[in-house]
Amino acid sequence: QKEVEQNSGPLSVPEGAIASLNCTYSDRGSQSFFWYRQYSGKSPELIMSIYSNGDKEDGRFTAQLNKASQYVSLLIRDSQPSDSATYLCAALRNTGKLIFGQGTTLQVKP
Amino acid sequence: DVKVTQSSRYLVKRTGEKVFLECVQDMDHENMFWYRQDPGLGLRLIYFSYDVKMKEKGDIPEGYSVSREKKERFSLILESASTNQTSMYLCASSYPGGSGELFFGEGSRLTVL
Repeated sequence: QKEVEQNSGPLSVPEGAIASLNCTYSDRGSQSFFWYRQYSGKSPELIMSIYSNGDKEDGRFTAQLNKASQYVSLLIRDSQPSDSATYLCAALRNTGKLIFGQGTTLQVKP
Repeated sequence: DVKVTQSSRYLVKRTGEKVFLECVQDMDHENMFWYRQDPGLGLRLIYFSYDVKMKEKGDIPEGYSVSREKKERFSLILESASTNQTSMYLCASSYPGGSGELFFGEGSRLTVL
Protein backbone atom coordinates (compact mmCIF):
# COMPACT_ATOMS: atom_id res chain seq x y z
CA GLN A 1 0.00 0.00 0.00
CA LYS A 2 1.31 3.41 -0.96
CA GLU A 3 1.54 5.95 1.82
CA VAL A 4 -0.49 8.49 -0.16
CA GLU A 5 -2.93 7.16 -2.72
CA GLN A 6 -4.85 8.89 -5.45
CA ASN A 7 -6.86 7.66 -8.38
CA SER A 8 -4.73 8.52 -11.40
CA GLY A 9 -7.77 9.28 -13.56
CA PRO A 10 -8.25 10.95 -15.88
CA LEU A 11 -11.18 12.67 -14.25
CA SER A 12 -13.23 14.43 -16.88
CA VAL A 13 -15.77 17.13 -15.99
CA PRO A 14 -17.65 19.68 -18.10
CA GLU A 15 -16.84 23.34 -17.78
CA GLY A 16 -18.71 24.91 -14.88
CA ALA A 17 -19.09 21.66 -12.93
CA ILE A 18 -17.57 20.73 -9.58
CA ALA A 19 -14.45 18.58 -9.79
CA SER A 20 -13.83 16.34 -6.79
CA LEU A 21 -10.34 14.96 -6.24
CA ASN A 22 -9.68 12.45 -3.52
CA CYS A 23 -6.69 11.18 -1.61
CA THR A 24 -6.12 8.69 1.22
CA TYR A 25 -3.06 8.35 3.43
CA SER A 26 -1.79 5.59 5.66
CA ASP A 27 0.56 7.31 8.15
CA ARG A 28 -1.52 8.51 11.10
CA GLY A 29 1.48 10.55 12.20
CA SER A 30 1.01 12.90 9.25
CA GLN A 31 -0.64 16.10 10.39
CA SER A 32 -0.37 18.46 7.44
CA PHE A 33 -1.64 17.97 3.92
CA PHE A 34 -1.16 19.79 0.67
CA TRP A 35 -2.51 19.97 -2.83
CA TYR A 36 -0.16 20.80 -5.69
CA ARG A 37 -1.15 21.49 -9.26
CA GLN A 38 1.12 20.48 -12.12
CA TYR A 39 0.47 21.59 -15.67
CA SER A 40 1.82 19.39 -18.43
CA GLY A 41 5.55 19.96 -18.84
CA LYS A 42 5.73 22.22 -15.79
CA SER A 43 6.73 21.85 -12.17
CA PRO A 44 4.26 21.39 -9.31
CA GLU A 45 2.99 24.48 -7.52
CA LEU A 46 1.23 24.62 -4.17
CA ILE A 47 -2.44 25.59 -4.32
CA MET A 48 -3.86 24.54 -0.93
CA SER A 49 -2.73 23.40 2.48
CA ILE A 50 -4.88 22.00 5.30
CA TYR A 51 -3.88 21.14 8.83
CA SER A 52 -7.07 20.47 10.82
CA ASN A 53 -10.25 18.50 10.30
CA GLY A 54 -12.94 20.17 8.26
CA ASP A 55 -13.02 22.42 5.24
CA LYS A 56 -10.74 25.19 4.08
CA GLU A 57 -11.86 27.44 1.26
CA ASP A 58 -9.79 29.62 -1.03
CA GLY A 59 -11.68 31.08 -3.96
CA ARG A 60 -13.02 28.26 -6.12
CA PHE A 61 -10.97 25.68 -4.22
CA THR A 62 -12.02 23.84 -1.05
CA ALA A 63 -9.78 21.37 0.73
CA GLN A 64 -11.35 18.87 3.11
CA LEU A 65 -9.62 16.79 5.74
CA ASN A 66 -10.95 13.87 7.77
CA LYS A 67 -8.18 12.49 9.97
CA ALA A 68 -10.34 9.72 11.42
CA SER A 69 -10.90 8.34 7.92
CA GLN A 70 -7.41 9.39 6.75
CA TYR A 71 -8.97 11.13 3.80
CA VAL A 72 -8.20 14.39 2.04
CA SER A 73 -10.10 15.90 -0.84
CA LEU A 74 -10.01 18.93 -3.12
CA LEU A 75 -13.14 20.42 -4.63
CA ILE A 76 -12.91 22.80 -7.54
CA ARG A 77 -16.09 24.75 -8.14
CA ASP A 78 -17.02 26.25 -11.51
CA SER A 79 -14.28 24.24 -13.20
CA GLN A 80 -12.53 25.97 -16.09
CA PRO A 81 -10.49 24.51 -18.96
CA SER A 82 -7.49 26.25 -17.38
CA ASP A 83 -7.91 23.94 -14.37
CA SER A 84 -6.94 20.97 -16.56
CA ALA A 85 -3.78 19.64 -14.93
CA THR A 86 -2.49 16.89 -12.67
CA TYR A 87 -3.29 17.42 -9.01
CA LEU A 88 -0.88 15.98 -6.48
CA CYS A 89 -1.86 15.24 -2.90
CA ALA A 90 0.96 15.32 -0.35
CA ALA A 91 1.28 14.46 3.33
CA LEU A 92 3.95 15.83 5.64
CA ARG A 93 5.42 13.17 7.88
CA ASN A 94 6.43 14.16 11.39
CA THR A 95 10.03 13.58 10.23
CA GLY A 96 9.67 16.54 7.87
CA LYS A 97 9.49 14.50 4.69
CA LEU A 98 6.78 15.47 2.22
CA ILE A 99 5.32 12.39 0.55
CA PHE A 100 3.32 12.68 -2.66
CA GLY A 101 0.61 10.58 -4.21
CA GLN A 102 0.82 9.62 -7.86
CA GLY A 103 -1.48 12.43 -8.90
CA THR A 104 -4.92 12.68 -10.52
CA THR A 105 -5.23 14.09 -14.02
CA LEU A 106 -8.19 16.44 -14.39
CA GLN A 107 -9.65 17.31 -17.78
CA VAL A 108 -12.19 20.12 -17.94
CA LYS A 109 -14.05 20.05 -21.24
CA PRO A 110 -15.48 23.27 -22.70
CA ASP B 1 9.81 35.54 -6.15
CA VAL B 2 11.57 32.38 -5.13
CA LYS B 3 13.69 30.99 -7.86
CA VAL B 4 15.00 27.45 -7.97
CA THR B 5 17.27 26.85 -10.91
CA GLN B 6 18.32 23.46 -12.20
CA SER B 7 21.40 23.49 -14.38
CA SER B 8 20.22 21.26 -17.19
CA ARG B 9 16.72 20.76 -18.59
CA TYR B 10 17.64 17.76 -20.73
CA LEU B 11 20.54 15.34 -20.45
CA VAL B 12 21.41 12.17 -22.32
CA LYS B 13 24.03 9.94 -20.73
CA ARG B 14 25.35 6.47 -21.26
CA THR B 15 25.17 3.58 -18.81
CA GLY B 16 28.00 3.75 -16.32
CA GLU B 17 28.65 7.48 -16.69
CA LYS B 18 28.82 9.74 -13.65
CA VAL B 19 26.07 12.34 -13.72
CA PHE B 20 25.81 15.60 -11.80
CA LEU B 21 22.52 17.45 -11.46
CA GLU B 22 22.88 20.91 -9.98
CA CYS B 23 20.28 22.99 -8.20
CA VAL B 24 20.55 26.54 -6.89
CA GLN B 25 17.97 28.54 -4.95
CA ASP B 26 18.06 32.26 -4.27
CA MET B 27 15.80 32.59 -1.22
CA ASP B 28 18.18 31.55 1.53
CA HIS B 29 16.09 28.45 2.25
CA GLU B 30 17.53 25.96 4.70
CA ASN B 31 15.70 22.98 3.25
CA MET B 32 16.42 21.47 -0.13
CA PHE B 33 15.10 18.29 -1.74
CA TRP B 34 15.61 16.03 -4.72
CA TYR B 35 12.66 14.08 -6.13
CA ARG B 36 12.24 11.97 -9.19
CA GLN B 37 8.96 11.81 -11.05
CA ASP B 38 7.85 8.82 -13.08
CA PRO B 39 4.49 8.11 -14.74
CA GLY B 40 2.13 6.31 -12.39
CA LEU B 41 4.52 6.66 -9.45
CA GLY B 42 4.30 10.36 -8.74
CA LEU B 43 7.13 12.19 -7.00
CA ARG B 44 9.46 10.07 -4.89
CA LEU B 45 11.93 11.60 -2.46
CA ILE B 46 15.56 10.70 -3.11
CA TYR B 47 17.49 12.87 -0.64
CA PHE B 48 16.97 16.03 1.32
CA SER B 49 19.05 18.45 3.32
CA TYR B 50 18.19 20.73 6.21
CA ASP B 51 21.52 22.51 6.38
CA VAL B 52 24.92 22.89 4.78
CA LYS B 53 26.89 19.62 4.75
CA MET B 54 23.85 17.83 6.11
CA LYS B 55 21.92 15.19 4.17
CA GLU B 56 19.27 12.63 4.87
CA LYS B 57 18.05 9.73 2.80
CA GLY B 58 14.61 9.84 1.33
CA ASP B 59 12.60 6.84 0.23
CA ILE B 60 14.70 5.82 -2.80
CA PRO B 61 18.35 6.81 -2.17
CA GLU B 62 19.93 3.74 -3.76
CA GLY B 63 22.21 4.64 -6.65
CA TYR B 64 22.32 8.33 -5.71
CA SER B 65 24.36 10.61 -3.53
CA VAL B 66 24.13 14.33 -2.79
CA SER B 67 26.34 17.22 -1.87
CA ARG B 68 25.54 20.46 -0.12
CA GLU B 69 28.67 22.54 0.35
CA LYS B 70 26.86 25.89 0.22
CA LYS B 71 23.43 26.81 1.49
CA GLU B 72 22.09 27.78 -1.91
CA ARG B 73 23.34 24.76 -3.83
CA PHE B 74 22.26 21.12 -3.66
CA SER B 75 23.71 18.60 -6.08
CA LEU B 76 22.47 15.15 -6.99
CA ILE B 77 25.07 12.66 -8.14
CA LEU B 78 24.57 9.41 -10.00
CA GLU B 79 27.87 7.60 -9.51
CA SER B 80 27.23 5.10 -12.30
CA ALA B 81 24.10 5.84 -14.28
CA SER B 82 21.78 3.00 -15.17
CA THR B 83 18.83 2.83 -17.53
CA ASN B 84 16.36 2.60 -14.64
CA GLN B 85 17.47 6.06 -13.58
CA THR B 86 15.95 7.55 -16.71
CA SER B 87 13.46 9.98 -15.22
CA MET B 88 12.46 13.57 -14.53
CA TYR B 89 14.41 14.95 -11.58
CA LEU B 90 12.93 17.81 -9.60
CA CYS B 91 14.78 19.92 -7.08
CA ALA B 92 12.85 21.89 -4.48
CA SER B 93 13.51 24.18 -1.54
CA SER B 94 11.46 25.34 1.41
CA TYR B 95 11.56 27.51 4.50
CA PRO B 96 12.76 25.89 7.72
CA GLY B 97 10.46 24.20 10.19
CA GLY B 98 9.30 21.28 8.09
CA SER B 99 6.98 23.32 5.95
CA GLY B 100 5.14 21.44 3.22
CA GLU B 101 5.34 24.40 0.89
CA LEU B 102 7.99 23.44 -1.62
CA PHE B 103 9.27 25.63 -4.42
CA PHE B 104 10.28 23.51 -7.38
CA GLY B 105 12.77 24.01 -10.13
CA GLU B 106 11.87 23.41 -13.77
CA GLY B 107 13.13 19.85 -13.69
CA SER B 108 15.91 17.94 -15.40
CA ARG B 109 14.90 15.17 -17.77
CA LEU B 110 17.62 12.54 -17.77
CA THR B 111 17.80 9.77 -20.34
CA VAL B 112 20.30 6.98 -19.74
CA LEU B 113 21.07 4.88 -22.81
